[in-house]
Amino acid sequence: EAGVTQFPSHSVIEKGQTVTLRCDPISGHDNLYWYRRVMGKEIKFLLHFVKESKQDESGMPNNRFLAERTGGTYSTLKVQPAELEDSGVYFCASSQEGLAGRNEQFFGPGTRLTVL
Amino acid sequence: AQSVTQLGSHVSVSEGALVLLRCNYSSSVPPYLFWYVQYPNQGLQLLLKYTSAATLVKGINGFEAEFKKSETSFHLTKPSAHMSDAAEYFCAGSGGGNKLTFGTGTQLKVEL
Repeated sequence: EAGVTQFPSHSVIEKGQTVTLRCDPISGHDNLYWYRRVMGKEIKFLLHFVKESKQDESGMPNNRFLAERTGGTYSTLKVQPAELEDSGVYFCASSQEGLAGRNEQFFGPGTRLTVL
Repeated sequence: AQSVTQLGSHVSVSEGALVLLRCNYSSSVPPYLFWYVQYPNQGLQLLLKYTSAATLVKGINGFEAEFKKSETSFHLTKPSAHMSDAAEYFCAGSGGGNKLTFGTGTQLKVEL
């Protein structure tokens, strides 16, 4: 069974450009999460989808970030325009439906974003 | 609100020695707690989880953790370190909601 995949693995862009990150969850997982780790800091929650609906987007830093999950399968996270402080590793995770909080979240390898 | 604190951003042990990685949590509700490991260029992999059943939780690769409510701790241990255990370890918790709150991570180095 394929795990969570993310594309690209690395992205280097100039300040002011747009970048779109993609996440493919494990097949059948309704829950999809985005997290971010800025260098030297903890991994922080960005948002949570249940199927195609945003369940919790309390961690999204500002309106330059837009996440979508059309059809409840893969998800994209767009940053437009990118700023220097957006640099970090963006992780995607997925989990099965069920009792909130206790199900294992399966993580992808992350996308390392560098904004110059 | 849930918060998780990992003491020690870097821990170094000798091969064969005890591994002890510390994690404390604060929460207004009984938490679910997790330890994840990240090897270079890979995603986070679940080592073990506490979901209010047994307080001593056994995980993969010989790791275990004990939930101690009186100390608000969930420290990760392994009796004998192996070179392959070198990685970054993350303690995380969820307070009943779906999102995970992570500690800052502990880089474990295993020396010969």
